[in-house]
Amino acid sequence: TQLLEQSPQFLSIQEGENLTVYCNSSSVFSSLQWYRQEPGEGPVLLVTVVTGGEVKKLKRLTFQFGDARKDSSLHITAAQPGDTGLYLCAGDGSWGKLQFGAGTQVVVTP
Amino acid sequence: EPEVTQTPSHQVTQMGQEVILRCVPISNHLYFYWYRQILGQKVEFLVSFYNNEISEKSEIFDDQFSVERPDGSNFTLKIRSTKLEDSAMYFCASRNDRATEAFFGQGTRLTVV
Repeated sequence: TQLLEQSPQFLSIQEGENLTVYCNSSSVFSSLQWYRQEPGEGPVLLVTVVTGGEVKKLKRLTFQFGDARKDSSLHITAAQPGDTGLYLCAGDGSWGKLQFGAGTQVVVTP
Repeated sequence: EPEVTQTPSHQVTQMGQEVILRCVPISNHLYFYWYRQILGQKVEFLVSFYNNEISEKSEIFDDQFSVERPDGSNFTLKIRSTKLEDSAMYFCASRNDRATEAFFGQGTRLTVV
């Protein structure tokens, strides 16, 4: 089983601050997806990264895939209370199944 | 925008009873999945389904579990005899192919009492 470790587990910051969430594995993934999950709801896809070294931007969110395709990071610039949520990374496995990390709970206070 | 829909949103059942969780994947998708998330834990893969058969299943997906695509639109997960430890959020997901993004439904919260 390919394990994905996310860090930190919990992050509490003030509005306007920046934050980075990490997703690491000892295994290589063909692609990696980032999701955000609200309590009692399903994961909502944010982005998919495929190529080693790839950087994708989604407004104030910047996603990076490591050169070796074993790790990824999510950076949020000038965080807002609406960014509060559980951020999950998930690596692609056989038959398109996803291996999820445990998630990073982000809380942004006004 | 197309979405994966799941019903019911919440199901309470007695231990030992059978439950069927229903999903309507996105219409042109070919790969279908069930995941579960026990409260406070990570999302875990249960089973993948392609071309009307199971393509892969996890250790969690034992003989008590089955999946079916009874028609062109529905994808169901059946738990034959529920146990207390089956209480969890169950998510259905679908993909157009193995290399594209997976889209998740809102989930069914199953509570076994």
